[in-house]
Amino acid sequence: QKEVEQDPGPLSVPEGAIVSLNCTYSNSAFQYFMWYRQYSRKGPELLMYTYSSGNKEDGRFTAQVDKSSKYISLFIRDSQPSDSATYLCAMRTTSGTYKYIFGTGTRLKVLA
Amino acid sequence: DTEVTQTPKHLVMGMTNKKSLKCEQHMGHRAMYWYKQKAKKPPELMFVYSYEKLSINESVPSRFSPECPNSSLLNLHLHALQPEDSALYLCASNQERGTAANYGYTFGSGTRLTVV
Repeated sequence: QKEVEQDPGPLSVPEGAIVSLNCTYSNSAFQYFMWYRQYSRKGPELLMYTYSSGNKEDGRFTAQVDKSSKYISLFIRDSQPSDSATYLCAMRTTSGTYKYIFGTGTRLKVLA
Repeated sequence: DTEVTQTPKHLVMGMTNKKSLKCEQHMGHRAMYWYKQKAKKPPELMFVYSYEKLSINESVPSRFSPECPNSSLLNLHLHALQPEDSALYLCASNQERGTAANYGYTFGSGTRLTVV
């Protein structure tokens, strides 16, 4: 079993839809949870970050962490064609390691 | 300045060549990273520098040689690479202290490397 599982997609939705992207993980020691957006042929861009559990909202984006289920989600409201990208979840513990474990990424296509 | 700058953006090199990738950040970040990313795969960690000292080497072959000349610069020296080393090489940095936001990476746009 991989430490972090993420559905690779592709996920196609119409413009304006609510998008739900998810990752599951197996290491209960993970405390830092990040979502990155990566456009084709570009470096990943940090979109949302959460420490421990709970929700965080930023504009059209909401990140949720459910540590009891070892499950994190990213919701995108009113999706736009410009949201078409690959979304990567990443997580790590608080111990001395600097190493994030990345999910495989979900390719999202928002159709105009 | 909130960017990580990588040069060159594209590089084609032969298997006998020696080349270097360069990464620069002026955000005062204390940790800098090299990642390798193949098409449709997540980034794979190669090296971590903390306070200009190498703290993690993920068993990377010696044909990749990292260097951190100062707190703002990170180089990756390449020698005798193989075609399977062709990938997007990403540099990242973060603060590694303080609020949760400081633990997220700022990535550069990457160097797309082709080994022929």
